[in-house]
Amino acid sequence: QLQLVESGGGVVQPGGSLRVSCAASGFGFSTSGIHWVRQAPGKGLEWVAFIRFDGSGKYYADSVKGRFTISRDNSKDTLYLQMNSLRTEDTAVYYCAKGPGPIEWEQEDWGQGTLVTVSS
Amino acid sequence: QAGLTQPPSVSKDLRQTATLTCTGNNNNVGNQGAAWLQQHQGHPPKLLSYRDNSRPSGISERFSASRSGNTASLTITGLQPEDEADYYCSAWDSSLDVVVFGGGTKLTVL
Repeated sequence: QLQLVESGGGVVQPGGSLRVSCAASGFGFSTSGIHWVRQAPGKGLEWVAFIRFDGSGKYYADSVKGRFTISRDNSKDTLYLQMNSLRTEDTAVYYCAKGPGPIEWEQEDWGQGTLVTVSS
Repeated sequence: QAGLTQPPSVSKDLRQTATLTCTGNNNNVGNQGAAWLQQHQGHPPKLLSYRDNSRPSGISERFSASRSGNTASLTITGLQPEDEADYYCSAWDSSLDVVVFGGGTKLTVL
């Protein structure tokens, strides 16, 4: 059974750093592109980043470029999002979402999300 | 990065048909197509259709997607109470190399 399980969320002060993870199981992680998508409380979906199946291509929203880094460890079936210089507007539930193939951009399957709160 | 345009809300009667729209431009919806997602309150989104308008396994035939030019549409027939949810479209923008989302449409089934 396909599973995506996010972890690592919590409360962090503005300017701080946090790394969230997404553990995958039940499908070929190493052959799938994966997204991070976030949703601020009461707001819509905002795409954050995408990484191709082998890590050869990484793409970022302007709002996080230069501050966030997406990476993956295919030997551990795990996706990461390193978040630096956090701002209050980064407060959101962070979802990982699997694409239908190695580089396709649709968001086919989603985890339950992990809440990141940036507050002093 | 400008997002895709969706009407904020749509209300339809039970068992009627709702058509939700999503407007982009030549760099995203117009040449990449759009995907559609459904999100119930407190739950993660669920994919309803791929960019080629096909449905993932397990998605009801009552949901059908289409595209004309830079506008994508999701039609839901025979509306049921469980269809009340937020609906989002997404697309790849080939000029910016980013995914763009619509602001979402809240569908109310009366």
